[in-house]
Amino acid sequence: NAGVTQTPKFRILKIGQSMTLQCTQDMNHNYMYWYRQDPGMGLKLIYYSVGAGITDKGEVPNGYNVSRSTTEDFPLRLELAAPSQTSVYFCASRSGGLETQYFGPGTRLLVL
Amino acid sequence: GENVEQHPSTLSVQEGDSAVIKCTYSDSASNYFPWYKQELGKRPQLIIDIRSNVGEKKDQRIAVTLNKTAKHFSLHITETQPEDSAVYFCAASNGNSGYSTLTFGKGTMLLVSP
Repeated sequence: NAGVTQTPKFRILKIGQSMTLQCTQDMNHNYMYWYRQDPGMGLKLIYYSVGAGITDKGEVPNGYNVSRSTTEDFPLRLELAAPSQTSVYFCASRSGGLETQYFGPGTRLLVL
Repeated sequence: GENVEQHPSTLSVQEGDSAVIKCTYSDSASNYFPWYKQELGKRPQLIIDIRSNVGEKKDQRIAVTLNKTAKHFSLHITETQPEDSAVYFCAASNGNSGYSTLTFGKGTMLLVSP
């Protein structure tokens, strides 16, 4: 199993540009999560999904959108990039019976 | 919502010493408390977790204790080694709901000097 994979690893965006951060897991996990990590601020939940077709907002959803059309994929969309969205983005997943979340390798995003 | 406070923000110890990181949480309904280790440039990885029906859990040099009454839990690392140097995050969640989510502390940077 590859576990949780994320692409791209690093991206530079200009203000106002759009992009999609990809997240895929091959563990057949129902639950998937998107976090952002800013220096000294821990991990903050952006959006999460409890299964295909079901998504919900986390603590910091503004400026982001998600979709969950399949169990495996949970893309995160930035429509109008802003400097405040410069961060490291982590995707995570877990199975329904266990609480342990498994993280992807992260995407480092720089908005200039 | 849940709020998790973590202290200290940085911790420097000598190799072989013990290290203790403390967290408090606000939601008395929280019942699952994991600890994650994140090395520089890497993803967070679970090192140990505890549920609210258990007061203490050990795994080799790592232990976690939970005080539900005081709403705090701690990570204890004994006989620290340079490879323990990393950022450690505590988290809390209410695992009873399918919609349960983790709330993380801000992290503790642990530096173990040889």
